[in-house]
Amino acid sequence: SQKIEQNSEALNIQEGKTATLTCNYTNYSPAYLQWYRQDPGRGPVFLLLIRENEKEKRKERLKVTFDTTLKQSLFHITASQPADSATYLCALDNFNKFYFGSGTKLNVKP
Amino acid sequence: DAGVIQSPRHEVTEMGQEVTLRCKPISGHNSLFWYRQTMMRGLELLIYFNNNVPIDDSGMPEDRFSAKMPNASFSTLKIQPSEPRDSAVYFCASSSRDRLDQPQHFGDGTRLSIL
Repeated sequence: SQKIEQNSEALNIQEGKTATLTCNYTNYSPAYLQWYRQDPGRGPVFLLLIRENEKEKRKERLKVTFDTTLKQSLFHITASQPADSATYLCALDNFNKFYFGSGTKLNVKP
Repeated sequence: DAGVIQSPRHEVTEMGQEVTLRCKPISGHNSLFWYRQTMMRGLELLIYFNNNVPIDDSGMPEDRFSAKMPNASFSTLKIQPSEPRDSAVYFCASSSRDRLDQPQHFGDGTRLSIL
C-alpha cells in the first residue's frame, strides 16, 4: 500500500544543534515534495518545496534533501532555536493526488 | 493580505445534526482544498476544486459529506447527518495551482465535535 512515514516520536534536541527530520515514502513517484510547519491550534504553514530533479534546497537555516532512489527526504534546521519547536509535516504530490505525513514533533530545549 | 478564512473556528453539535463549514480562499487563488486532521489518520485530503470545479472527491468518506464552491471566493463543506466519528479538525487551503509545485495556504481550521 502507499504510505508516507515520518517519525511519530518527538525529536528532542538542545538549542544550537542541528535538527534532522525524515520523510520516507513507498509506492509513490512524486514530482514535488513539500515541508510544512504546524503549531498547536493552527493550520500548516508552507516552508520549502523541492522538485524530483533537485537534490537539495536551502532557505536561511533550513535545508531539504530529496533522494528519489531511497524514496526519502531529509529536513534540517541548523542552529535550532526554541521558537523552532513545532510539528513538521512532509507532503507529496503523486499524479495529482496529495498526501501528507503524520508529522514529527520537534522540541528544542534552551 | 488576508489569508484563508474559515468559519466557525469551533463547532459543537449533537449527532444527526447538519454541519456546515465555510471557507474563503485567498483572492486570486484558483485551487481550493478541504482536509480533515485527526490523531489517528493525520491530515487527509477530502476534496479539491480547480476554478470552482471539483476535480477529485475520492477522499470524501461517504455520502453524508458534500462540498460546493459556488464562486471563486467561497466554499462549503457540509456533513448531514453528522456522527461522532466525524469529530476532527477540518482545514481549508488554497493555492494558485492544483499541483504541489506551489505552496498551499491553510486556514486555521474548524474544530468539530459531534456529541
